[in-house]
Amino acid sequence: AQSVTQLDSHVSVSEGTPVLLRCNYSSSYSPSLFWYVQHPNKGLQLLLKYTSAATLVKGINGFEAEFKKSETSFHLTKPSAHMSDAAEYFCVVSDPNSGNTPLVFGKGTRLSVIA
Amino acid sequence: ETGVTQTPRHLVMGMTNKKSLKCEQHLGHNAMYWYKQSAKKPLELMFVYNFKEQTENNSVPSRFSPECPNSSHLFLHLHTLQPEDSALYLCASSPAALEFYNEQFFGPGTRLTVL
Repeated sequence: AQSVTQLDSHVSVSEGTPVLLRCNYSSSYSPSLFWYVQHPNKGLQLLLKYTSAATLVKGINGFEAEFKKSETSFHLTKPSAHMSDAAEYFCVVSDPNSGNTPLVFGKGTRLSVIA
Repeated sequence: ETGVTQTPRHLVMGMTNKKSLKCEQHLGHNAMYWYKQSAKKPLELMFVYNFKEQTENNSVPSRFSPECPNSSHLFLHLHTLQPEDSALYLCASSPAALEFYNEQFFGPGTRLTVL
């Protein structure tokens, strides 16, 4: 069965500095991987997804993530944090062998951006 | 209206009340989902509907009763809830339930408080 581990529950960065949110996954097959963002009192919005094409995936708002099969990682990065990036971020793995419940969510990483 | 909408956005109910949550998607999708998001816990999948048929019930108590009259609408009927059922309830949709490479589109959620 697939699983996903977000290594940090809370990350704090200064505005203008790089962002790194870490995610490791476990899957019995070649998975699809997603990053979602959730701003306070809002639903989840897709940032980017990996589906076995290019290993470096670019998403919205300047975010990108790199799929590293050897490390079973899918870390999310952004070169320069903005105040509006403060939110909860979820790493999600999807496995074709998982039947009707394809998406497994990590516990989330709360990103704080300090002015 | 575009995307996935949910009503009401906030709901306060007593343990003996009966209420319903509504979700509507305007994306032409065929799969719809109910999730529960509690503080400090990963997102929990509750129900999956694919082409109006329930394909997954993730061991949800019978006090939660879903209804999917067509591919665009999903309801969650609530009765005799417990205080621990207080949470954010998220609805999502996707083109079809078994396509693991597709992302899900989320509504803004209903914040439920059970007194």
